[in-house]
Amino acid sequence: NAGVTQTPKFQVLKTGQSMTLQCAQDMNHNSMYWYRQDPGMGLRLIYYSASEGTTDKGEVPNGYNVSRLNKREFSLRLESAAPSQTSVYFCASKTSRASGGGETQYFGPGTRLLVL
Amino acid sequence: AQSVTQLGSHVSVSEGALVLLRCNYSSSVPPYLFWYVQYPNQGLQLLLKYTSAATLVKGINGFEAEFKKSETSFHLTKPSAHMSDAAEYFCAVSVPIGGSQGNLIFGKGTKLSVKP
Repeated sequence: NAGVTQTPKFQVLKTGQSMTLQCAQDMNHNSMYWYRQDPGMGLRLIYYSASEGTTDKGEVPNGYNVSRLNKREFSLRLESAAPSQTSVYFCASKTSRASGGGETQYFGPGTRLLVL
Repeated sequence: AQSVTQLGSHVSVSEGALVLLRCNYSSSVPPYLFWYVQYPNQGLQLLLKYTSAATLVKGINGFEAEFKKSETSFHLTKPSAHMSDAAEYFCAVSVPIGGSQGNLIFGKGTKLSVKP
């Protein structure tokens, strides 16, 4: 049981290049999330997918797109990377109940992205 | 709107001393509250959570937190710090309102240093 896995672990991009960050979970969770972590800012939600087939914007979605490929996988794409997107990116997942909110989110190990 | 404030971006304690990390929340409805820990170069791991059962919540590694509605607080404590507690700690709030499906809003984090 690997939990939440992310690839790659580290990436260097030049401004304007594109890339896709991959995330997969093996816990049969419905909901998946992408966050970015910047020093002194905590974690900020980029996009989330409440269930397979749906995606929604979070707090900081500009410059990103997502795809919920199936129940297990949720990818984050940077179409034209900018230095402001230098950050650590975390994927998370949780089960979802009708009442919502008290379930634990499980986090992946993160992808460190440097945009030059 | 929901928000979380963590007082003190850095806290330093001596080994064996009390650990107190402060978290105040803002929510118009009864919240779910979480504390996560992040060790260097790792993802986030759940320490404990409050989901409207007991107001004193015990977590892993000897940590506990008390939900105080009158003070809108959820401070994290540990009676005796250990060197291995050095990490960054994040408080988060989730509100069970439909639509957002219980997304997490994080505080900016408190980095705990433990001196020998």
